[in-house]
Amino acid sequence: EAGVAQSPRYKIIEKRQSVAFWCNPISGHATLYWYQQILGQGPKLLIQFQNNGVVDDSQLPKDRFSAERLKGVDSTLKIQPAKLEDSAVYLCASSLMGTPVSYEQYFGPGTRLTVT
Amino acid sequence: AQTVTQSQPEMSVQEAETVTLSCTYDTSESDYYLFWYKQPPSRQMILVIRQEAYKQQNATENRFSVNFQKAAKSFSLKISDSQLGDAAMYFCAYRSLGGMRFGAGTRLTVKP
Repeated sequence: EAGVAQSPRYKIIEKRQSVAFWCNPISGHATLYWYQQILGQGPKLLIQFQNNGVVDDSQLPKDRFSAERLKGVDSTLKIQPAKLEDSAVYLCASSLMGTPVSYEQYFGPGTRLTVT
Repeated sequence: AQTVTQSQPEMSVQEAETVTLSCTYDTSESDYYLFWYKQPPSRQMILVIRQEAYKQQNATENRFSVNFQKAAKSFSLKISDSQLGDAAMYFCAYRSLGGMRFGAGTRLTVKP
């Protein structure tokens, strides 16, 4: 079974530029998550999709971050414009369903973003 | 809001010995799940073990076991017979309907 795929693996941009990350979840997984992991911290949930609908985006900085999952499969996360504090690893995860909450989340390898 | 605290930024253990990683959490909910995830240097997060809050019995997965103290809101991970491959960041996580919350992590070093 193929795992969660993410690209690119690394990205370096200057502040105020735009960047986009792509995620392809495990086949059949209805729920998709984007996390931000700043160095030395645990992952922080940015947004959760159930199929192509948003379940939770309470911690997404909506003035600069956007995410979509148009066909309920793969997803993109965009930052526009980027700030220095956006430097982090962006993790994508998927699970069969969002509930029950016991369903395991499978994580991708992440995209390391450096904003200079 | 739920918070997860891991008070040990770093731990080390001798190969074949036992180590315990600590985790506490704060919640007012009664129905939730707790997890330990492992993140090796390659960065892929892997589930180690999970615990349902309604279960009194502590979860066990081979060399990994937890000590779940619901009243104290404590959820520690014990790794027995530590192996070099256990070296990684370990994250404690809490999940209810509100989504997953992670602690800051504990970096485990295994000495040969």
